Amino acid sequence: EAGVTQFPSHSVIEKGQTVTLRCDPISGHDNLYWYRRVMGKEIKFLLHFVKESKQDESGMPNNRFLAERTGGTYSTLKVQPAELEDSGVYFCASSQTQQGKVNSPLHFGNGTRLTVT
Amino acid sequence: DQQVKQNSPSLSVQEGRISILNCDYTNSMFDYFLWYKKYPAEGPTFLISISSIKDKNEDGRFTVFLNKSAKHLSLHIVPSQPGDSAVYFCAARDRNSGNTPLVFGKGTRLSVIA
Repeated sequence: EAGVTQFPSHSVIEKGQTVTLRCDPISGHDNLYWYRRVMGKEIKFLLHFVKESKQDESGMPNNRFLAERTGGTYSTLKVQPAELEDSGVYFCASSQTQQGKVNSPLHFGNGTRLTVT
Repeated sequence: DQQVKQNSPSLSVQEGRISILNCDYTNSMFDYFLWYKKYPAEGPTFLISISSIKDKNEDGRFTVFLNKSAKHLSLHIVPSQPGDSAVYFCAARDRNSGNTPLVFGKGTRLSVIA
């Protein structure tokens, strides 16, 4: 089974530019999450999709961030315009919705390291 | 305000000895706890979990202990091996739904010295 894949693995952009990160979850996983880790800090929740619907976007920092999951498969996270404080590692994770089971572990991708200069 | 705290940023242990990683939480609604392990340039991978109805869960060399009254959990690795060197994240979820987002700590970097 292929794991969660993220592209690109690294991105270096200048302040004010736009970047789009992509995540392909494990096939069949309805739940897709975006997280971010700023160096040395906790892995912080950004957004949760169930299929194509945004279930919870309480962690999105501001309206410069836009996440989509058209068709309920892969997801994109766009940052426009990027600011210096957006630098960090962006992780995507997915999980199944299991009937009768309330907890299913998240499977993470390897992340995209974003550097805004 | 951090709801999951890992107060030790790093820990060094001799190969073969026990590693104990600690985690404290503040939210009494948390009822499911997980440990993730992360190698450099990789995503976190699930290691072991525990539900609040238990106080211990064991899986091979890994045991997680939960003390609900103290809002504290710990991960024991015994015996520690060099391949265990990684960053370990404690995470928690509240009882409202099985798929609510996990809340993570800052991580503890474990170094196992041969």
